[in-house]
Amino acid sequence: GENVEQHPSTLSVQEGDSAVIKCTYSDSASNYFPWYKQELGKRPQLIIDIRSNVGEKKDQRIAVTLNKTAKHFSLHITETQPEDSAVYFCAASWGGKLIFGQGTTLQVKP
Amino acid sequence: DAGVIQSPRHEVTEMGQEVTLRCKPISGHNSLFWYRQTMMRGLELLIYFNNNVPIDDSGMPEDRFSAKMPNASFSTLKIQPSEPRDSAVYFCASSFRVRLDGGGGSYEQYFGPGTRLTVT
Repeated sequence: GENVEQHPSTLSVQEGDSAVIKCTYSDSASNYFPWYKQELGKRPQLIIDIRSNVGEKKDQRIAVTLNKTAKHFSLHITETQPEDSAVYFCAASWGGKLIFGQGTTLQVKP
Repeated sequence: DAGVIQSPRHEVTEMGQEVTLRCKPISGHNSLFWYRQTMMRGLELLIYFNNNVPIDDSGMPEDRFSAKMPNASFSTLKIQPSEPRDSAVYFCASSFRVRLDGGGGSYEQYFGPGTRLTVT
């Protein structure tokens, strides 16, 4: 079945620095790759997504890149702020459902 | 739109008791997903429905778990009998899909607030 690997599991950056989280997927048929942000005690919330016909997508300080050949995609957060601190999950579509990575805990130090 | 609604928000029960979690998807959405989240196992998909029909229940841990979707606006996840290892946060999510093979509609899933289940 489909598998999604996410790295790193924890990431600590200084406020203002950039953060990068990487994911790899196993099924070349996957065509949709969302990223969710989950704050402590809250639900996962979609922050950005990308489809397989696009290589890069940007929304203000966040961007996602996709390399279909290598089967990996990444989340980039620039000018990080303390409110970016949360757990981030990547996911890949497979058979009508989403397979989630294990999550990355991002800590932004003021 | 009220978003995905789940109840109860917190449930504390004793081992062996039956637990029923409820979910109301976003109006107009035709796909519904039940997830379980724990520190050890992360976010796991338990089962999902499309047009009220269960499509994939391969994530359901064992026969103690069952899920139903009697109509487009309501779903339940039942655990009977409950065990301490079932303690977790259970999320329901919904989306709109035209076809299951990836064509049409939207993959975006919207999560409910979750039910925190504690089995003692």
